[in-house]
Amino acid sequence: EDQVTQSPEALRLQEGESSSLNCSYTVSGLRGLFWYRQDPGKGPEFLFTLYSAGEEKEKERLKATLTKKESFLHITAPKPEDSATYLCAVQAGMDSSYKLIFGSGTRLLVRP
Amino acid sequence: NAGVTQTPKFQVLKTGQSMTLQCAQDMNHNSMYWYRQDPGMGLRLIYYSASEGTTDKGEVPNGYNVSRLNKREFSLRLESAAPSQTSVYFCACQGGDRHINQPQHFGDGTRLSIL
Repeated sequence: EDQVTQSPEALRLQEGESSSLNCSYTVSGLRGLFWYRQDPGKGPEFLFTLYSAGEEKEKERLKATLTKKESFLHITAPKPEDSATYLCAVQAGMDSSYKLIFGSGTRLLVRP
Repeated sequence: NAGVTQTPKFQVLKTGQSMTLQCAQDMNHNSMYWYRQDPGMGLRLIYYSASEGTTDKGEVPNGYNVSRLNKREFSLRLESAAPSQTSVYFCACQGGDRHINQPQHFGDGTRLSIL
């Protein structure tokens, strides 16, 4: 069964304290891995798409990487405005289906 | 640039009542989706529409129906609401075709409570 697991469930950092969020997946035929940011009371906001192992994407203080079994979202010198829930989702399957399977998210709190 | 608009933003229903959640997108995307989000769980797909005129069941379709009214609009209907359907409902759209892994773009959700 296709599955996506995110860890940790919650993470508290001091401003400037770098860390990483993990997204591990077991799917048949990965077609894409997506990272989203979700603020309270809002819908998920797209951050990155990764397609193949070894690929990396960067945006400001965020860097996403992908291996054959997991993806990491690295946050360098975070600021309080980076506080949010970060969601990982995979698109899989060889039948051209483009449904997404979501993890349950990592709640990040960055203290000033 | 509105993107994906969902109405209403909040709703309280009594068990057995019916209602329709509305979703409209101005991104000219072919595919549209309805998800529910519950505490501690990932977003779960209820129904999706790959293109105008087609709809398919997702992971948790029981108790729901959908209508793809046109390319812009995709509605979700609860015929007889149950407390287990208390959740936050998100609509999303996606461009490209099934061979291009474009990201989905989400609305800000409808928070539904069923008493």
